[in-house]
Amino acid sequence: DTAVSQTPKYLVTQMGNDKSIKCEQNLGHDTMYWYKQDSKKFLKIMFSYNNKELIINETVPNRFSPKSPDKAHLNLHINSLELGDSAVYFCASSAQLGGTEAFFGQGTRLTVV
Amino acid sequence: QQQVKQSPQSLIVQKGGISIINCAYENTAFDYFPWYQQFPGKGPALLIAIRPDVSEKKEGRFTISFNKSAKQFSLHIMDSQPGDSATYFCAALDSNYQLIWGAGTKLIIKP
Repeated sequence: DTAVSQTPKYLVTQMGNDKSIKCEQNLGHDTMYWYKQDSKKFLKIMFSYNNKELIINETVPNRFSPKSPDKAHLNLHINSLELGDSAVYFCASSAQLGGTEAFFGQGTRLTVV
Repeated sequence: QQQVKQSPQSLIVQKGGISIINCAYENTAFDYFPWYQQFPGKGPALLIAIRPDVSEKKEGRFTISFNKSAKQFSLHIMDSQPGDSATYFCAALDSNYQLIWGAGTKLIIKP
């Protein structure tokens, strides 16, 4: 029973397209995150939601829009995809904001061609 | 002040040896220091963590050493095994409850 699941696992798309990545956690956690991991493995937080409310919005192009329909879900929609958006995107959750353990999904490898 | 500097970028250790990864920080407000382990194709997973009120924490073959005055902490993996080959990230929790991540260390254990 996967704790944090995200779909799809792989996503190949053309420049200019719009795509979404879905994330669900069944841990009952209050806080969810989106991270971007580049080709050098550097992890960068993009968004943090606590009880469906946006807490952290790092310097991310406004082409990226997170949506949290409920505490268990945090989806990421990306408009007008660019080559530089190619990366692995991870969803994560923690029990509360600043929780001592973040649980990560398996990642979505996005390739923009 | 928000950075966590991690070294080395990559590390090769013989099976049975000790792997050591180091991290340094500047912000004295950081109060929780986890290490995450990431295998290829998987998300990072919490390995071990420490708070600044202790100097060492050990869990099995994994030990965190923490030097508050030097603002440094390190991960030691004793008796390193090929199954330990992964990317390791140190991190620190800031006063805004945000994890600040190191750049990662790719560890390869040679049989």
